[in-house]
Amino acid sequence: GQQVQQSPASLVLQEGENAELQCNFSSTATRLQWFYQHPGGRLVSLFYNPSGTKHTGRLTSTTVTNERRSSLHISSSQTTDSGTYFCAIGNSGGSNAKLTFGKGTKLSVKS
Amino acid sequence: EAAVTQSPRNKVAVTGGKVTLSCNQTNNHNNMYWYRQDTGHGLRLIHYSYGAGSTEKGDIPDGYKASRPSQENFSLILELATPSQTSVYFCASRLGGRCAETLYFGSGTRLTVL
Repeated sequence: GQQVQQSPASLVLQEGENAELQCNFSSTATRLQWFYQHPGGRLVSLFYNPSGTKHTGRLTSTTVTNERRSSLHISSSQTTDSGTYFCAIGNSGGSNAKLTFGKGTKLSVKS
Repeated sequence: EAAVTQSPRNKVAVTGGKVTLSCNQTNNHNNMYWYRQDTGHGLRLIHYSYGAGSTEKGDIPDGYKASRPSQENFSLILELATPSQTSVYFCASRLGGRCAETLYFGSGTRLTVL
């Protein structure tokens, strides 16, 4: 089955620093999403980005599909960015509802 | 914002007992999912569904059953709970289709099997 590898597993930043989170996947994915999990557990969708670059606020997602990688860039990090970031992939084949998650990157931003 | 409601929020069960986790969404989403989250494993897919009456096996279906009696409801059933099923379980829904990819999650159910 599909595999998703995220790096780094954890990251500690000082407030104001930038972060670059990586996602590599084992097979061509036509559907890629980034999620954020609050420290309390709630999961929210950040981006649906199967290819190209998307921005929202201080977040930028760049996916290069034929190289099977995606990145999430956080600029000018804030303590409220702390939490875990997940990448998830799927394809448009017969099991097109299925999404496979990576193990996540745990981000801690210190003030 | 689409709402996905899970119940119960917390559950303590005994080994060998039956556990049912419930999930409800009123967004008319076609696809629904059950994941479990364990330290070091991220989220792993247990079962999913394309719509009422359908259930599909995910990556780790052993020991679990799923039921989708209606568009709104998707249950996860542990017929004989074991301590290895102690975990946090998340339900999610998605409308489906190219322009409706966003996955919406419930708040999670923390299950402890003693």
